[in-house]
Amino acid sequence: NAGVTQTPKFRVLKTGQSMTLLCAQDMNHEYMYWYRQDPGMGLRLIHYSVGEGTTAKGEVPDGYNVSRLKKQNFLLGLESAAPSQTSVYFCASTTGGGQGPQYFGPGTRLLVL
Amino acid sequence: TQLLEQSPQFLSIQEGENLTVYCNSSSVFSSLQWYRQEPGEGPVLLVTVVTGGEVKKLKRLTFQFGDARKDSSLHITAAQPGDTGLYLCAGGTGGYQKVTFGIGTKLQVIP
Repeated sequence: NAGVTQTPKFRVLKTGQSMTLLCAQDMNHEYMYWYRQDPGMGLRLIHYSVGEGTTAKGEVPDGYNVSRLKKQNFLLGLESAAPSQTSVYFCASTTGGGQGPQYFGPGTRLLVL
Repeated sequence: TQLLEQSPQFLSIQEGENLTVYCNSSSVFSSLQWYRQEPGEGPVLLVTVVTGGEVKKLKRLTFQFGDARKDSSLHITAAQPGDTGLYLCAGGTGGYQKVTFGIGTKLQVIP
């Protein structure tokens, strides 16, 4: 039982390049989330999904797209990276319908030059 | 937008001291969670409180949810170096399990 895993762990991009961050969970959780964490800003929700095939915008969705084709995977895409997207990205998952905890992955550090 | 303010933002204390960190909002939350995050890792849940006035204890950590469910506190007794980390509070309002995170309190316990 690996919990929530994220790949890659670290990436450097040039402005304008694209990339996809992968999140996978093996806990059969319905809900999955993508956050970014920046100094002085805390964790901010980018996009989330309440089930396979569904996605919704969070607090800071601009410049990102997501897909949830399989229940266990949640992908975050950057089509044209900008320096403002330099951050640490965390994926989380939880069961629905209760006050359950969010289980976080170890994070992906992204540097956009 | 619901905001959660945490104070203090930074705290450096000696091993054995007691401390309290606070999480305040003008909004009412249906639940309040506390997480601890260590460098290079994701946050890990410590506790969830859901009832106004609720107090939960986790070894040397005591969590309290305000009567009006707008604020919470975390008290650590006899802090240890292993308590070092970023403490985050997160307020839930139900529905799709979305939570709002505070910026966090960065705690350093010096041996």
